[in-house]
Amino acid sequence: DAGITQSPRYKITETGRQVTLMCHQTWSHSYMFWYRQDLGHGLRLIYYSAAADITDKGEVPDGYVVSRSKTENFPLTLESATRSQTSVYFCASSHTGFVYEQYFGPGTRLTVT
Amino acid sequence: DAKTTQPNSMESNEEEPVHLPCNHSTISGTDYIHWYRQLPSQGPEYVIHGLTSNVNNRMASLAIAEDRKSSTLILHRATLRDAAVYYCILRDASGGSYIPTFGRGTSLIVHP
Repeated sequence: DAGITQSPRYKITETGRQVTLMCHQTWSHSYMFWYRQDLGHGLRLIYYSAAADITDKGEVPDGYVVSRSKTENFPLTLESATRSQTSVYFCASSHTGFVYEQYFGPGTRLTVT
Repeated sequence: DAKTTQPNSMESNEEEPVHLPCNHSTISGTDYIHWYRQLPSQGPEYVIHGLTSNVNNRMASLAIAEDRKSSTLILHRATLRDAAVYYCILRDASGGSYIPTFGRGTSLIVHP
């Protein structure tokens, strides 16, 4: 089925380790987004991408790295995980960026110990 | 940046209509009003959006004030499955680098 998937769904890692969260969409949407969700903060945009090889920072980009070599994939890397990065991470995609609806993945629950 | 204000929580009884308000007093002429909802343990899902006119779809209705400084999401008959956090956000159609802000949304509690 077409859609947007995230992997892994759950991840526990230690402080200082590198972690990569994967996001894959089958709609050929041009825009993709990464959000994090913490209790009391709602959803906060980390990075977004308008097309392959084009990425830009959101509200809370520090400590994260993204790349987009293919339209359908948008991995998010925590180069040296910290406890403050314990969160639920959502990937989303859309046809035309911010104006029209976004489709969200199921989320990855990351715990940094 | 235009932002929205929503009540933290609202309660409703099953099969009754629900009106979820959103204030966006600094909205610009090119901002679309979007609503999303997030069911427990799931990612947000799109509900409806509009610019100036009221909008209806299979999920809900969106009533937009004439001055566009507020809007109301209407669920015509609430069900237990409608218990979720509802987010009202603004999307800029002008092509600028506006970063959307989801905020905390309104937590809707539906009583059987």
